[in-house]
Amino acid sequence: QVQLVESGGGVVQPGGSLRLSCAASGFTFSISGMHWVRQAPGKGLEWVAFIPYGGDNEYFAESVKGRFTISRDNSKNTVYLQMNSLRPEDTAVYYCAKDKAGYQPYNWGQGTLVTVSS
Amino acid sequence: QSVLTQPPSVSAAPGQKVTISCSGSSSNIGNNYVSWYQQLPGTAPKVLIYDSNKRPSGIPDRFSGSKSGTSATLGITGLQTGDEADYYCGTWDSSLSAGVFGGGTKLTVL
Repeated sequence: QVQLVESGGGVVQPGGSLRLSCAASGFTFSISGMHWVRQAPGKGLEWVAFIPYGGDNEYFAESVKGRFTISRDNSKNTVYLQMNSLRPEDTAVYYCAKDKAGYQPYNWGQGTLVTVSS
Repeated sequence: QSVLTQPPSVSAAPGQKVTISCSGSSSNIGNNYVSWYQQLPGTAPKVLIYDSNKRPSGIPDRFSGSKSGTSATLGITGLQTGDEADYYCGTWDSSLSAGVFGGGTKLTVL
C-alpha cells in the first residue's frame, strides 16, 4: 500500500530555512509526480508545489515562488521541499501527496508541522 | 480568497442527502479534473472523488461527484454522523500553472 512519511518540520525563526523530506513506499516512485500541500492552523488547504516524475518543470504557488524549491531523489524514493526566507505566514502542517494523472493530489502523508516564530 | 468557491457550511439530518458545490472558471474546473477530499478532525485529507466523478476503491457509493461547465458538485447520501468533516474541492489551474483548492465546507450531521 502507498505510504508517505514526511519529516523535517520544526520551529524556525523568520528569515530562516528548513528542508522537508517525504519518504515514499508502496508504489513506483520514479514514475509518479509529487505535490506539497500545506494547511495553516485552523485554515483550509493551500497547494504549494508540484514536481513531475521527470523532475523538470516544477510548479509553485505564487506565495512561495522564489523562496521554496522542490526536488526529488528517485534512488531514495524521496521528495524534498527546501524552504528559505521563511515567514510567520508559512506556519502550517505540510503534507506531501502522490499525484494522480491530471495534477490531482491522491495519496497523502500524515503531515509535518512547521512553525515560523521568533 | 480561494480560487474555487465553496459554501462555508452545510448541514442535514442523518439518513438525508447533501450536496456541496464548487465553483471555478474555464481555466481550472472548466478544463481540468476535479478531486474532492474529506478531512476528519486532526487527520490528513483523504480523496473521495478523483477525475471529477470516480471513487477510489474503498470509498462507498454514498459519495458521488459530478462536473458541469465551470462547477463541480459532491453528493453524499445516507448521511451518517461519521461523515461530519471538512470537505475540499481541488483542481489544476492552467492559467496559473498551479494547483487550487476551495476554501472548504464544514458538514454538520444534525
